[in-house]
Amino acid sequence: EAQVTQNPRYLITVTGKKLTVTCSQNMNHEYMSWYRQDPGLGLRQIYYSMNVEVTDKGDVPEGYKVSRKEKRNFPLILESPSPNQTSLYFCASAPWWANPPQHFGDGTRLSIL
Amino acid sequence: AQKVTQAQTEISVVEKEDVTLDCVYETRDTTYYLFWYKQPPSGELVFLIRRNSFDEQNEISGRYSWNFQKSTSSFNFTITASQVVDSAVYFCALSVFSKTSYDKVIFGPGTSLSVIP
Repeated sequence: EAQVTQNPRYLITVTGKKLTVTCSQNMNHEYMSWYRQDPGLGLRQIYYSMNVEVTDKGDVPEGYKVSRKEKRNFPLILESPSPNQTSLYFCASAPWWANPPQHFGDGTRLSIL
Repeated sequence: AQKVTQAQTEISVVEKEDVTLDCVYETRDTTYYLFWYKQPPSGELVFLIRRNSFDEQNEISGRYSWNFQKSTSSFNFTITASQVVDSAVYFCALSVFSKTSYDKVIFGPGTSLSVIP
């Protein structure tokens, strides 16, 4: 089954404790992206990657890091999480020739206390 | 700068009523895509439709229809004979060409639709 898998689905943690949200897709897509969803703001793009070792900032990259060492994986790293990063996060992927639309994962709800 | 506006924050309708969700976008690019996603209470994002800027034909898919008007920069979504299962948050989004692909995506704030039985 074609899918984008995010882990964990839910996480409660404390300020300053490094965390990684993994994202993996099994569709051999070149393009991958991370978004955060906040009430009243819709989804905002954090980072995106057009292929292995190629990443670029979206609209709200501050406080986040990403890496794309393998085509299928695009982890989102919060080196020192803060409460304002409490949000619902989505990973998405798409083939280069059909972007958009993007296929979304089921989301990861992060709570940072 | 690009922007997507969904002025209706919340809408409630009674089942079987028709409802239109408004979407207004801003971009200086001449080549772009517009699309709609549905987010049901379970939280996943479901792709509904994509339109490119050169195709102003309206589209109908079952009870769903979309009206794209470049003159007013609008891409409105109508649900005919609404059903309870249509209750969800609906996002309109704009994708503009950047570098080698349409990688910059701007979402509107969403419209929460409640269909009351």
